[in-house]
Amino acid sequence: EPEVTQTPSHQVTQMGQEVILRCVPISNHLYFYWYRQILGQKVEFLVSFYNNEISEKSEIFDDQFSVERPDGSNFTLKIRSTKLEDSAMYFCASSWDLQETQYFGPGTRLLVL
Amino acid sequence: DQQVKQNSPSLSVQEGRISILNCDYTNSMFDYFLWYKKYPAEGPTFLISISSIKDKNEDGRFTVFLNKSAKHLSLHIVPSQPGDSAVYFCAPRVNSSGSARQLTFGSGTQLTVLP
Repeated sequence: EPEVTQTPSHQVTQMGQEVILRCVPISNHLYFYWYRQILGQKVEFLVSFYNNEISEKSEIFDDQFSVERPDGSNFTLKIRSTKLEDSAMYFCASSWDLQETQYFGPGTRLLVL
Repeated sequence: DQQVKQNSPSLSVQEGRISILNCDYTNSMFDYFLWYKKYPAEGPTFLISISSIKDKNEDGRFTVFLNKSAKHLSLHIVPSQPGDSAVYFCAPRVNSSGSARQLTFGSGTQLTVLP
């Protein structure tokens, strides 16, 4: 069964450093998403992406964040200058269509020191 | 953000009995409701969904009920199995045209099914 994959599974970084989280969505999906879950809090929507541009973004997704689909398979989330409060589990998701179910990857645990 | 509330952080049920997980919402624009379950160190896995035009959807051991007037939905699992032990999230979305439909997650309910 096709699945969303994410790398790395864990990432430790120093405050102020840039990090890139990578995702490989399900191959025939067209809509891509990033969510995050800070420890003990809800899963929160960050951004959605379709046709090589951002469709929607939340208030969390400020200028420090960017997304990119650099090739036909990868979907990345970049945090330019990490803060302590960026420490969270980051989930990538994809769907075939707007109407369709979003399928989630296993997540990347980011720890900012 | 309290648009979606799962008021029971945890629920313990004996194997073979029914598990009932509840979810309340305030946003009347939600018109599609999904349930995800999550095991530790994994991402959320889609379980079952219901459109606002229905009041019940069933898939095997899982049934979701929607009461639009009360803005309440529930997930029933019967019979419950130890492998069902996980965190269950209610995640509705707005089916507005033209925009990718972000999910709004509840805080989750940890279900433990005791053998």
